[in-house]
Amino acid sequence: KAGVTQTPRYLIKTRGQQVTLSCSPISGHRSVSWYQQTPGQGLQFLFEYFSETQRNKGNFPGRFSGRQFSNSRSEMNVSTLELGDSALYLCASSLLPTGDNVGYEQYFGPGTRLTVT
Amino acid sequence: KNQVEQSPQSLIILEGKNCTLQCNYTVSPFSNLRWYKQDTGRGPVSLTIMTFSENTKSNGRYTATLDADTKQSSLHITASQLSDSASYICVVGRSNDYKLSFGAGTTVTVRA
Repeated sequence: KAGVTQTPRYLIKTRGQQVTLSCSPISGHRSVSWYQQTPGQGLQFLFEYFSETQRNKGNFPGRFSGRQFSNSRSEMNVSTLELGDSALYLCASSLLPTGDNVGYEQYFGPGTRLTVT
Repeated sequence: KNQVEQSPQSLIILEGKNCTLQCNYTVSPFSNLRWYKQDTGRGPVSLTIMTFSENTKSNGRYTATLDADTKQSSLHITASQLSDSASYICVVGRSNDYKLSFGAGTTVTVRA
């Protein structure tokens, strides 16, 4: 079974631009979560989508948005990029939402390394 | 204040030795606790998931323990190998809003 794929793997953007990152979950998985990882802050939760609906959202500004399509693929968009948005953006998929009591396994993709100059 | 604290921040061990990583949390109400291994430049990989009723879980040379009363967990690595060099992240799930809280991770370096 193919794992979680993220495109592109690397991206360089300029301040003020916008960017769209893509994530394809494992086949059959309906939940997709997005995370930002920086050396100083570690892993921080952005949002989770399940069946095309945003189920949960972290404490990020409105410049960060996402969506999920009917085939469970997900995209996240960052508008008006700032230098501080430079990070590794990770996508993770699971069969069902990760926070439920039964603790469904979450599988991460390799990430997209975004550099804002 | 982070609701998941990990210690130590980093450690260096010799190949073949054992080590234990700690995770203390204040997340409530508790749903589940996960340990992930993240190699440099790659996404995290799940090692174990424990719910309230489980107090120990193993995955090969990795053994996680959970004390839900004291809100502490540990990850024990037995007979370390060079491939164990990675960051280990403790993640705690909350049962009311489904949010996951992440620890900052412990960086383990195994030397020959």
